[in-house]
Amino acid sequence: EADIYQTPRYLVIGTGKKITLECSQTMGHDKMYWYQQDPGMELHLIHYSYGVNSTEKGDLSSESTVSRIRTEHFPLTLESARPSHTSQYLCASSEWADEKLFFGSGTQLSVL
Amino acid sequence: QKEVEQNSGPLSVPEGAIASLNCTYSDRGSQSFFWYRQYSGKSPELIMFIYSNGDKEDGRFTAQLNKASQYVSLLIRDSQPSDSATYLCAVGSGGYQKVTFGIGTKLQVIP
Repeated sequence: EADIYQTPRYLVIGTGKKITLECSQTMGHDKMYWYQQDPGMELHLIHYSYGVNSTEKGDLSSESTVSRIRTEHFPLTLESARPSHTSQYLCASSEWADEKLFFGSGTQLSVL
Repeated sequence: QKEVEQNSGPLSVPEGAIASLNCTYSDRGSQSFFWYRQYSGKSPELIMFIYSNGDKEDGRFTAQLNKASQYVSLLIRDSQPSDSATYLCAVGSGGYQKVTFGIGTKLQVIP
């Protein structure tokens, strides 16, 4: 079944640790996105990709980095986690000529 | 001024009533308009999209678009308690640009 997967679902980690949030999709989509969402707030785009070897920064400044080595995989990395990084991170994908987004189940990150 | 504005609510309606959710946007060049439903603790799910002025119906949901007024709405007929969620309005400029989300309106359907 075509889907978009995020792991882990929840992550509690100490300050200064390096973390990678995983996102994979079997939708066959070219475009992939990372959004950040805090409770009661809008989704903010932090990274997006049009395809392999394409990565762009979104509207919200983020200390995270992303890579797109394979079409189906779009991991997000934080080199040194801080409490200000505590948030929900949502991965999404869409077809090349479409803006309909399909979201993964999200990763709730808590940095102590 | 925010790019996509929604009343955060909560909007409370009795079961069986029509829920009306509204959204305004600032970019006149916007081409595509979406409504997502987000249950508490879950990720957004696309429920409606509309590209042209007028109404678009899908089951109990109707999306309405008025580009001249820069206004999008979502009507939910025969509201059910299972419709209780936050409804996110999203606007895109078409093609390769980003989609911008509103803050969402929390809907509570009272049995």
